[in-house]
Amino acid sequence: EPEVTQTPSHQVTQMGQEVILRCVPISNHLYFYWYRQILGQKVEFLVSFYNNEISEKSEIFDDQFSVERPDGSNFTLKIRSTKLEDSAMYFCASTATGLASLEQYFGPGTRLTVT
Amino acid sequence: GDSVTQMEGPVTLSEEAFLTINCTYTATGYPSLFWYVQYPGEGLQLLLKATKADDKGSNKGFEATYRKETTSFHLEKGSVQVSDSAVYFCALSDSQGAQKLVFGQGTRLTINP
Repeated sequence: EPEVTQTPSHQVTQMGQEVILRCVPISNHLYFYWYRQILGQKVEFLVSFYNNEISEKSEIFDDQFSVERPDGSNFTLKIRSTKLEDSAMYFCASTATGLASLEQYFGPGTRLTVT
Repeated sequence: GDSVTQMEGPVTLSEEAFLTINCTYTATGYPSLFWYVQYPGEGLQLLLKATKADDKGSNKGFEATYRKETTSFHLEKGSVQVSDSAVYFCALSDSQGAQKLVFGQGTRLTINP
């Protein structure tokens, strides 16, 4: 069964450093998402991406964040200058269409620890 | 904005017990409602969904009914198993053009043999 994959599974970085989290969505999917979950808190939407552009972003997704689909398979989230409060589990998801009723397929997550 | 409120956890039950995890929502449109489950070390997986009022979603013995009048989507299972131990997330996706999911805080369920 096709699945969403994410690398690395755990990333430790120092405050102020740039990190890139990588995702490989399901191959025929067209809509891509990033969510995050700070320990003990809700899973929060960060950004959605379709047709090589951001379709929606949350207040969390400020200028320090960017997303890219550099080739036909990868979908990346970049944090330019990490802060302690960026420590969280980051989940990538994808869907075939943008229908609200459709299941989103999630990757296993990347745990980001900023020290 | 849209929001989901979920029963606080953690919840610990014995095998074969009846399970209810409460979920209520606030939304401006006509959302689709979901239960996702996260097993240890894995990503979130769809457990069940309902896309309109009075729909019942079901899967693996779990059920939830979309109740518009009470804005609820409570998860139930008649007889839980040790393998049901996981974190359960209630979520909605608003029909007003946005495909993002809005999640509840998650409920950690532990089933003891």
